[in-house]
Amino acid sequence: GENVEQHPSTLSVQEGDSAVIKCTYSDSASNYFPWYKQELGKGPQLIIDIRSNVGEKKDQRIAVTLNKTAKHFSLHITETQPEDSAVYFCAASTGTASKLTFGTGTRLQVTL
Amino acid sequence: NAGVTQTPKFRVLKTGQSMTLLCAQDMNHEYMYWYRQDPGMGLRLIHYSVGEGTTAKGEVPDGYNVSRLKKQNFLLGLESAAPSQTSVYFCASRLDRDEQFFGPGTRLTVL
Repeated sequence: GENVEQHPSTLSVQEGDSAVIKCTYSDSASNYFPWYKQELGKGPQLIIDIRSNVGEKKDQRIAVTLNKTAKHFSLHITETQPEDSAVYFCAASTGTASKLTFGTGTRLQVTL
Repeated sequence: NAGVTQTPKFRVLKTGQSMTLLCAQDMNHEYMYWYRQDPGMGLRLIHYSVGEGTTAKGEVPDGYNVSRLKKQNFLLGLESAAPSQTSVYFCASRLDRDEQFFGPGTRLTVL
């Protein structure tokens, strides 16, 4: 089955700096790669996603890049703000049921 | 729309007891999923359903059963709870695009 590895497990940045979280996947058939943000005591919420036919996608301060050859994808957050502090999960899926395999999460802390 | 709701929010069980977690969605979604979240392990898929009356096993199905009698509801059952089932349980639903919408979670402790 699919295996998704995520790094780093914790990340601390100063407000205004950029944050980068990286994930690798094992199944070359995976074709959908979402990123979820989870705040304390809440369920994960989709912040951005990318499909395998696209190399990069951007939404305001958030961007995701995908390298299919190397089987890795990354989340980039620019101009970080305190409200960006949360746990971020990457995931990969394949097939019509879109079963998601998640990474182990990155706890991002944005300090003033 | 309430989105995805989960009942109960918290529960404490003794080993061997049974319980059912309820997930409800009002978005007319075909697909529904149950995940468990444990520290340092991300979310892992327990069971899922691709439509009313259908269910299938995910990555960690042992010790759990599910039912999807109505399109809007997806039930997760524990017949004989074990301490290893202490976790936070999340339900999610999806229409036809890939995005899954998650509920707020149920925190279960098995003593």
